[in-house]
Amino acid sequence: KAGVTQTPRYLIKTRGQQVTLSCSPISGHRSVSWYQQTPGQGLQFLFEYFSETQRNKGNFPGRFSGRQFSNSRSEMNVSTLELGDSALYLCASSLDPGYGEAFFGQGTRLTVV
Amino acid sequence: GQQLNQSPQSMFIQEGEDVSMNCTSSSIFNTWLWYKQDPGEGPVLLIALYKAGELTSNGRLTAQFGITRKDSFLNISASIPSDVGIYFCAGHPGTASKLTFGTGTRLQVTL
Repeated sequence: KAGVTQTPRYLIKTRGQQVTLSCSPISGHRSVSWYQQTPGQGLQFLFEYFSETQRNKGNFPGRFSGRQFSNSRSEMNVSTLELGDSALYLCASSLDPGYGEAFFGQGTRLTVV
Repeated sequence: GQQLNQSPQSMFIQEGEDVSMNCTSSSIFNTWLWYKQDPGEGPVLLIALYKAGELTSNGRLTAQFGITRKDSFLNISASIPSDVGIYFCAGHPGTASKLTFGTGTRLQVTL
């Protein structure tokens, strides 16, 4: 069974640009959540999607958004990039929101210059 | 954002030694998870705990879900070089796919 796939693995963007990251969950998993990992703040929850609906959102500005498609694949978008958005963005897949076990992709390393 | 208190922050041990790390929270969780992360990679799930008091093993790893549901520990026995990495605990509330992570324990193993 294939794991969680995130694309791209690496991205370099300029301040003010926008970026879209993609996540394909494990087959059969319907819940996708996103996390930002930085050395200073650790792993922080961004948002969670289930059945194409955002169910929870972390404490991030509105520049961070996402969506989920009918096949459970998810994308997250960051607009008007800032230097502080440089981070490893991780996607996690689980069967459904109430199921504890979450499996992570390899992440997308975003560098904003 | 919220992070769970995880200790120790880092450990330097010799190959063959046992390791213990723990995680505490001010909130209760329905599930405790332990992950290992290598540099530049995503966290890999090691153990999941679902019931207060539960003790679960996965090879050389043993983890326990605290009775109060506010803490958990992870033990690694007879450490080997490939155990090097950062270990994270995570709490799951049971109602949403929203994990709260610990601050991480960086493990270094010397030969």
